Amino acid sequence: DTAVSQTPKYLVTQMGNDKSIKCEQNLGHDTMYWYKQDSKKFLKIMFSYNNKELIINETVPNRFSPKSPDKAHLNLHINSLELGDSAVYFCASSQDPGGLSNQPQHFGDGTRLSIL
Amino acid sequence: QKEVEQNSGPLSVPEGAIASLNCTYSDRGSQSFFWYRQYSGKSPELIMFIYSNGDKEDGRFTAQLNKASQYVSLLIRDSQPSDSATYLCAVGSPWTGGSYIPTFGRGTSLIVHP
Repeated sequence: DTAVSQTPKYLVTQMGNDKSIKCEQNLGHDTMYWYKQDSKKFLKIMFSYNNKELIINETVPNRFSPKSPDKAHLNLHINSLELGDSAVYFCASSQDPGGLSNQPQHFGDGTRLSIL
Repeated sequence: QKEVEQNSGPLSVPEGAIASLNCTYSDRGSQSFFWYRQYSGKSPELIMFIYSNGDKEDGRFTAQLNKASQYVSLLIRDSQPSDSATYLCAVGSPWTGGSYIPTFGRGTSLIVHP
């Protein structure tokens, strides 16, 4: 059983398109995250949701819009894709949203997004 | 801006040796510290975490915190070739609403050679 699953695993598309990445966790965690890892392996948080509510929204362009229909799902929609959006996007989840352990403990396998 | 710095490496150690990985952070208010291991092409995997009140040992891994100097270290004893990976340091800093925002370093590449 996959704890945090993302789809698709690979996404190759052209500049200007709109695409979505889906994430689901079956761990019963309250908090979910989206991270972006660039070509130099720098992992940066984009968004964090606690029980469907947005709690962290880092400096991310408005073209990126997360949606959490329930606490087990956190999807990421990207409008008007740009070359600089090419990266690996990781979804993650953790149990404790506000205590000292507010950190992702389980990562999905990542979605490798390539913009042509 | 909160920063977490790591030497990118690679750090090369012989099998059986102790590998020492370090990370410095800029935010004095940070209270949670995490080490992740990431194999090439894979997702990060949490291996250790400590809070501001002490060090922690788990099997071959020991995480140590020096709050005065603002650095955290990870020691891997009896290093194995399977430990070869990139080690990411992450620091949790207080954010709004009682939550903590994680900041990651760029990672240190570790190579354990037979």
